[in-house]
Amino acid sequence: RKEVEQDPGPFNVPEGATVAFNCTYSNSASQSFFWYRQDCRKEPKLLMSVYSSGNEDGRFTAQLNRASQYISLLIRDSKLSDSATYLCVVRALTGGGNKLTFGTGTQLKVEL
Amino acid sequence: GAGVSQTPSNKVTEKGKYVELRCDPISGHTALYWYRQSLGQGPEFLIYFQGTGAADDSGLPNDRFFAVRPEGSVSTLKIQRTERGDSAVYLCASSLTASGASDTQYFGPGTRLTVL
Repeated sequence: RKEVEQDPGPFNVPEGATVAFNCTYSNSASQSFFWYRQDCRKEPKLLMSVYSSGNEDGRFTAQLNRASQYISLLIRDSKLSDSATYLCVVRALTGGGNKLTFGTGTQLKVEL
Repeated sequence: GAGVSQTPSNKVTEKGKYVELRCDPISGHTALYWYRQSLGQGPEFLIYFQGTGAADDSGLPNDRFFAVRPEGSVSTLKIQRTERGDSAVYLCASSLTASGASDTQYFGPGTRLTVL
């Protein structure tokens, strides 16, 4: 079983739709949680951190459920420019470091 | 300001050859990380440096892989006797520190390695 599991998609949605991605993680020692965005043939870029209380950044809302080891990302009023792969990422501090563990990513395609 | 840079952007080599991949982190960042991303997968951790020393090399797949960061800035990932299965995008990331509020990892554009 992978440490971080995501539905690979693709999710094909019309512009303006609301779409939700889910992710589960297996390491209960995970301490920090993130969503990264990766465009085709580009590097991953931090979209947002995920906090236990839930957090919002414009059209994006992230939620964390530590008891269920479950993370979600909600995108409202989706835009064509939101088309990308969304990577669920967890971090467990090891050796005083900062190793990130990535899911395989969920591909989103926003269409006219 | 300048982000993380990696060279070369693409490298094609033959099975059995030796390759070096270079990473230039953001100036002032003390932590540097190498990841490998295969097609259709998320990045996988290889090794992490704090300053000049490798603080965690648990992700290196075998002893053909080695990385150095002699002056605490630029890092080189070295792969000996390359195999076709080594073909992937090798990503480098850096962060200001390795813990706390300044530990966001910023990724470089990657080196796409193809082993024929």
